Amino acid sequence: DQQVKQNSPSLSVQEGRISILNCDYTNSMFDYFLWYKKYPAEGPTFLISISSIKDKNEDGRFTVFLNKSAKHLSLHIVPSQPGDSAVYFCAAGLGQGAQKLVFGQGTRLTINP
Amino acid sequence: DTGVSQDPRHKITKRGQNVTFRCDPISEHNRLYWYRQTLGQGPEFLTYFQNEAQLEKSRLLSNRFSAERPKGSFSTLEIQRTEQGDSAMYLCASSFSGFGYTFGSGTRLTVV
Repeated sequence: DQQVKQNSPSLSVQEGRISILNCDYTNSMFDYFLWYKKYPAEGPTFLISISSIKDKNEDGRFTVFLNKSAKHLSLHIVPSQPGDSAVYFCAAGLGQGAQKLVFGQGTRLTINP
Repeated sequence: DTGVSQDPRHKITKRGQNVTFRCDPISEHNRLYWYRQTLGQGPEFLTYFQNEAQLEKSRLLSNRFSAERPKGSFSTLEIQRTEQGDSAMYLCASSFSGFGYTFGSGTRLTVV
């Protein structure tokens, strides 16, 4: 039972353009969502999060949008830079102090010069 | 404090052998988590500790797996009688009561 799904295994975007990564979830009890970035041979690093009481959270070039009715969240990166090339995971939890997170399968983002 | 440390980074073992991994969390973090990641998948929750107490274990954690966190500091994850299906990246993370979840670089296990 995949409670958090990232349906695009890979995405290729030109440098300077917008990257949009999508994530769907099935458990309506989730109320805290996060995006992580992972480079090869490293652990995931936290990027940005959003609570279910909000529909948007912005941090520099990164914006996360949450659509609770559709159980969908997206990560926008603008402008995309070559250093953004990595695997991106969305994750969901119950509460901001969640005991555990449920992760999607990941989307490999490649930024082309 | 340089973050969450995991040792070893890589481990190759023969099927049937026992292996043990170590995780040193960020010192002020009271929660410690173990996740497993296989190729093409996201990390999957295995277990977590609050201080020295193991509060939740996933059904993924068979009876061949055991985790400890003596004195609420570092943690060990032991896999007994390893099987080829145990080959994965084992990730440790720590947080202060669920906030600021920080992952280590992981231990990659290969069972041959």
